[in-house]
Amino acid sequence: NAGVTQTPKFRVLKTGQSMTLLCAQDMNHEYMYWYRQDPGMGLRLIHYSVGEGTTAKGEVPDGYNVSRLKKQNFLLGLESAAPSQTSVYFCASSPDRSYGYTFGSGTRLTVV
Amino acid sequence: AQSVTQLDSQVPVFEEAPVELRCNYSSSVSVYLFWYVQYPNQGLQLLLKYLSGSTLVKGINGFEAEFNKSQTSFHLRKPSVHISDTAEYFCAVSDPGGGADGLTFGKGTHLIIQP
Repeated sequence: NAGVTQTPKFRVLKTGQSMTLLCAQDMNHEYMYWYRQDPGMGLRLIHYSVGEGTTAKGEVPDGYNVSRLKKQNFLLGLESAAPSQTSVYFCASSPDRSYGYTFGSGTRLTVV
Repeated sequence: AQSVTQLDSQVPVFEEAPVELRCNYSSSVSVYLFWYVQYPNQGLQLLLKYLSGSTLVKGINGFEAEFNKSQTSFHLRKPSVHISDTAEYFCAVSDPGGGADGLTFGKGTHLIIQP
């Protein structure tokens, strides 16, 4: 089925380790977003991209890096994980700003 | 920057009763408004959206919302809820005249349906 696929679905990291979360969409959407969801905080934008080769910072970018080398993929990297990065991470894509987003099913990350 | 306030963190309601989930946003000349639903351990699904035109917007699963510019509100309603409506509901806003920096979400309202 068409949509947004996130891998992995679950991950446990030790403090200081690095990892990359992958988001892939097969809808040819230009816009892609990474959010984190924490209890009582709603969703907060980490980084976003308006097209292949572009990235920009969102509300809470510190400690994260992103890349969009191919239009269909948007990678979120943690270079040195911290317990404060324990969260559920959602990727979303959209053809334009008025259409609404298609969300992935999320990655639950725990940093110990 | 836009902001969204969902006034209730939890709303308990009996099955088959009506429900209203409240959402207010910071003022702007124009806005796009959205409601999303998140079922346990899933991503968010779009329920409905307001871009322009009629202030009453109908969405999936029998939900509707009314845009009120003077009150800067976009409350979500359903005339009769079911157990399956138990979920987290998020209101979101974007500025059509601004950059592509994503939707701003409220903190969510947990709808609890009691049998």
